[in-house]
Amino acid sequence: DTGVSQNPRHKITKRGQNVTFRCDPISEHNRLYWYRQTLGQGPEFLTYFQNEAQLEKSRLLSDRFSAERPKGSFSTLEIQRTEQGDSAMYLCASSRTGMNTEAFFGQGTRLTVV
Amino acid sequence: GNSVTQMEGPVTLSEEAFLTINCTYTATGYPSLFWYVQYPGEGLQLLLKATKADDKGSNKGFEATYRKETTSFHLEKGSVQVSDSAVYFCALSDTSGGSNYKLTFGKGTLLTVNP
Repeated sequence: DTGVSQNPRHKITKRGQNVTFRCDPISEHNRLYWYRQTLGQGPEFLTYFQNEAQLEKSRLLSDRFSAERPKGSFSTLEIQRTEQGDSAMYLCASSRTGMNTEAFFGQGTRLTVV
Repeated sequence: GNSVTQMEGPVTLSEEAFLTINCTYTATGYPSLFWYVQYPGEGLQLLLKATKADDKGSNKGFEATYRKETTSFHLEKGSVQVSDSAVYFCALSDTSGGSNYKLTFGKGTLLTVNP
C-alpha cells in the first residue's frame, strides 16, 4: 500500500466552473477526512466519513461543496461554481477508528481559480 | 471551541543549534496532541504524538511533552540539521465515541536551518 493518494495534484479552473477531486485512502482505513489549507495557514477541517457515512461537516463547507464516499472506499470532493476564494490546497487523510490512531495525509490537490 | 496557537515564524537557525517551537492549546475534554511536519513539496507527516498528560512524544531527535497544567506541547530538538528545514504544525484531536478523529491545527512554523 502506497499511502493516501489524491488526484489530480494540480487543477487550474476558471471561475464559475465545477471541479471534482478524488482521494483513495489506505485500504484498511474506515475513516476519511477532507481538509483545506490556504497559504500561511494550517489545514482546516472540512468533513469526515466513517465508512460511507458522512458524519460531520464544517461550517466552512458551503452548499457549493459536496463530498461523497460511495461504498466506503475512495472519496470525491466536488466544488460547484468555483470562486477565487476557493483557491487552496485540498488535503485528504485517512485513519482507523480507535484510540491513539494516526491520520495519514495525501499530498493534496492544489486548486487555482482564475 | 478547540484551538491551537503556535509560535510564528519563520525561524532561522544554524546547524547544530537548539530548537524550540512553542505550542499552546485550548480544548474541551482530553485531546491527543500531535506535531506534523511538511517538507518542501511533500504531504503532511506525523512527527510525534502524546495521548495523555505528562506523556512525552519523541521521534528523529525531536521531543514534546504534554503539559496539561500549562496547556502546552512545545517541540524541541537539541541539535538541528539542514534536513530538518520544513514547516512544523502543532495539532490536537477531538475525540468521538472514545476515539480520535478530526484535527485542529496551528498556523505552522517555517524552520530554515543553514549549514
